[in-house]
Formats: sequence, C-alpha cells, structure tokens
Amino acid sequence: AQSVTQLDSQVPVFEEAPVELRCNYSSSVSVYLFWYVQYPNQGLQLLLKYLSGSTLVKGINGFEAEFNKSQTSFHLRKPSVHISDTAEYFCAVSEVWGLVGKSTFGDGTTLTVKP
Amino acid sequence: DAGVTQSPTHLIKTRGQQVTLRCSPKSGHDTVSWYQQALGQGPQFIFQYYEEEERQRGNFPDRFSGHQYPNYSSELNVNALLLGDSALYLCASSSATEVRETQYFGPGTRLLVL
Repeated sequence: AQSVTQLDSQVPVFEEAPVELRCNYSSSVSVYLFWYVQYPNQGLQLLLKYLSGSTLVKGINGFEAEFNKSQTSFHLRKPSVHISDTAEYFCAVSEVWGLVGKSTFGDGTTLTVKP
Repeated sequence: DAGVTQSPTHLIKTRGQQVTLRCSPKSGHDTVSWYQQALGQGPQFIFQYYEEEERQRGNFPDRFSGHQYPNYSSELNVNALLLGDSALYLCASSSATEVRETQYFGPGTRLLVL
C-alpha cells in the first residue's frame, strides 16, 4: 500500500514570489508520481507527472517538480506565482505495476496568492 | 474531442435514499475509475471498471456499486445514503493498453445528503 503526505495544508504567498509545495510518499514498490490542480468547483487537472528518466519534471503553467528517491519526495515548485495560481494542489502516486488509473492522493495543499 | 463528462453536476438527497451518478469517458479510453472526495480531503479510490466488470475496489462498503456499458460509459450507484456520503464524486478515464497514460478527471458530481 502507498501513502502520500502533503506537508503543508495551506501556503500563502505574494504574487511574483517563488513557491514550493511539499509532498512525501511511502511505498514498498516503485511508483509513478503526479501533481494535480483543482480550481473551485472543478475536477482535477494534471500539472505534471514523473514516470521515469530525468528527476526534474516540467509541467504546465510554469510548474516543475523534482523526484528524490532517497528522500521519497516529489516537491512542486514555481519561480514566480500569479493570482490565477490560487487553487488546491494534490500530490498522487500510482504503482508502476499496479492497476492503471488507480492513484493514492494526499489531502491537498491550498495555495493562496495574494496581491 | 470531448473530455470526461459527468452528470448531474449537483444532487441533493435524504438519508436512506439511493443515487445514480453517470460518467462518459474521454474518447479512446476504455477504463473508468470512481473517486470520492470529501470536503478538505484528497480523492479516495472507490473502484474501477474495465470490460464491463469491476477490476478492483477500494475500502468502500457494498452500498457502493457500479456498472459499465459497452460504450465504456459508467454509473456509480450508492444505496441507503448516509450523511457521510456527502462529497464530490469524481470519475476518471484511462486506457488499459496505454500503461503509462495519464488518467483524465471529469468535473465531478457534488452530492449532498440531508
């Protein structure tokens, strides 16, 4: 079984400042890693994913994340945030050899960008 | 290309009633997974349907059941509703043949049980 811990439930930040949303995971097997964004009253949109290869993954909207296997972390970063980045962010994992489409999610981090 | 669609968008029921939620997968996808997202929490896997059969179930009681049709659309049924069933129900579609493919989520159905 896997578990995902998002270390900060809320992250307030000023516009144009950098931000890091932290995610640690636990798994006895190899996993794929994902970050999703959820805007109010909407479903989940994939920001980026790590499947294999380079540990630095670039996604949409200027976000990137780095997979650190030794620390079992997959932190999400953006060098300069905008008001429109205000949303809920979810980290998720899926077993590499598990059921395709089955993911375990963290409880989310609310990013609030202030002017 | 239509993405994942769900209906209805919102629903209000009373305790003990039954509810059916519907999902149409993204074009080209044959697998549908259902998730429950309670307020302030991340989505929890309910079950997945492929080839009209339930492949795997998360930690949810038998009150939660589903169905998949030959056109890959799916339904989630919940019987004997409890207050705790109030949540956003998300449907996600994927392709069983594309093992590295991402799953795509619909906008969800928000269920309120009174």
